[in-house]
Amino acid sequence: RKEVEQDPGPFNVPEGATVAFNCTYSNSASQSFFWYRQDCRKEPKLLMSVYSSGNEDGRFTAQLNRASQYISLLIRDSKLSDSATYLCVVNLGNQGGKLIFGQGTELSVKP
Amino acid sequence: DVKVTQSSRYLVKRTGEKVFLECVQDMDHENMFWYRQDPGLGLRLIYFSYDVKMKEKGDIPEGYSVSREKKERFSLILESASTNQTSMYLCASSLPGGGETQYFGPGTRLLVL
Repeated sequence: RKEVEQDPGPFNVPEGATVAFNCTYSNSASQSFFWYRQDCRKEPKLLMSVYSSGNEDGRFTAQLNRASQYISLLIRDSKLSDSATYLCVVNLGNQGGKLIFGQGTELSVKP
Repeated sequence: DVKVTQSSRYLVKRTGEKVFLECVQDMDHENMFWYRQDPGLGLRLIYFSYDVKMKEKGDIPEGYSVSREKKERFSLILESASTNQTSMYLCASSLPGGGETQYFGPGTRLLVL
């Protein structure tokens, strides 16, 4: 079983749609959680951290369910510029800065 | 702004050649990482380093070695390149600790013929 699993997609949605990505992680000792964004042929960049109480940044909402070992990302009012691959990322906490990356979910927003 | 630079964006090498990939960061970060990224497999950690002259194996270290002689520079070495090492190589750096953001370089696309 992969340590971090995501639906690879692709998700093809029209502009203005709401889209949700899900991610599960296998290690219950995981401490920190993130969503990174990777544009085509570019490097990954941090989109947002994920906190236990859930957090929002504009049109983006991240949720964490520790009991189910599940992380989600909701994007409201999708823009063309949201087209990218979204990576679910976990830190185990006992190996310093080492991160475990999911393989990513591809999103394509169409006009 | 954190800047992570990699020595080449594209590289073509022949099987058996020794290959050096260089990574430099300008934010005095203690942690540095080398990943490779392949379609369907995502990012896989090759080696990482928490300090100068220190290195730890990641998930797929076979066929690779690393060097960290200075804090800002982390080199990945392919001792004898093989075609299955054709990939995108990404370097990253971060502050110490588990909750810190990793900042990535632009990547090096390596083709081994």
